[in-house]
Amino acid sequence: EVQLVESGGGVVRPGGSLRLSCAASGFTFDDYGMSWVRQAPGKGLEWVSGINWNGGSTGYADSVKGRFTISRDNAKNSLYLQMNSLRAEDTALYHCARGTTTDAFDIWGQGTMVTVSS
Amino acid sequence: SYELTQPPSVSVSPGQTARITCSGDALPKKYAYWYQQKSGQAPVLVIYEDSKRPSGIPERFSGSSSGTMATLTISGAQVEDEADYYCYSTDSSGNHRGVFGGGTKLTVL
Repeated sequence: EVQLVESGGGVVRPGGSLRLSCAASGFTFDDYGMSWVRQAPGKGLEWVSGINWNGGSTGYADSVKGRFTISRDNAKNSLYLQMNSLRAEDTALYHCARGTTTDAFDIWGQGTMVTVSS
Repeated sequence: SYELTQPPSVSVSPGQTARITCSGDALPKKYAYWYQQKSGQAPVLVIYEDSKRPSGIPERFSGSSSGTMATLTISGAQVEDEADYYCYSTDSSGNHRGVFGGGTKLTVL
């Protein structure tokens, strides 16, 4: 079964850091680019970041550029999002999705919740 | 920053045709994608590359794009199609940034 499972979310204070992980299974991970998409409570979807198959090309939304870093480990079939200098407005459910910025996001994980609060 | 604009809500009766629009300046040069999100669930891809339908998506879902507007059409909408729908595309700056529209709540009743 093709599956994406996120982990690493939690409650963090403003200015803090978190590292999200996404474990992929059921497909050849390094055949695909990957992305992170978030959804604040009661709000719409927001594209956060994308990475190509080998990590050689990345992109970030203006709202997170310079604070978040996307990476992947193809040997571990895993995608990551390092989030630094977190703000209250980063509070959201973070989904990983199969596909790069210019592809369809055809497989989604259920998400991991990040809450930034003092 | 680049934006995609959708109507906040669309309402139809069962069996009617629902049309959800998405406008953006780069759409003449960039593909549009459409996602369905039901309450409490992860999004599902329903249309890719303007008009292609993934396997498993009912034929009543179709997409088109002309100029700066993309349209998702649900022909003969069913009660189970009630959901939030989001368009997605990329800007034309070459910076590899994606953007979602604000979402449209489709009510079928």
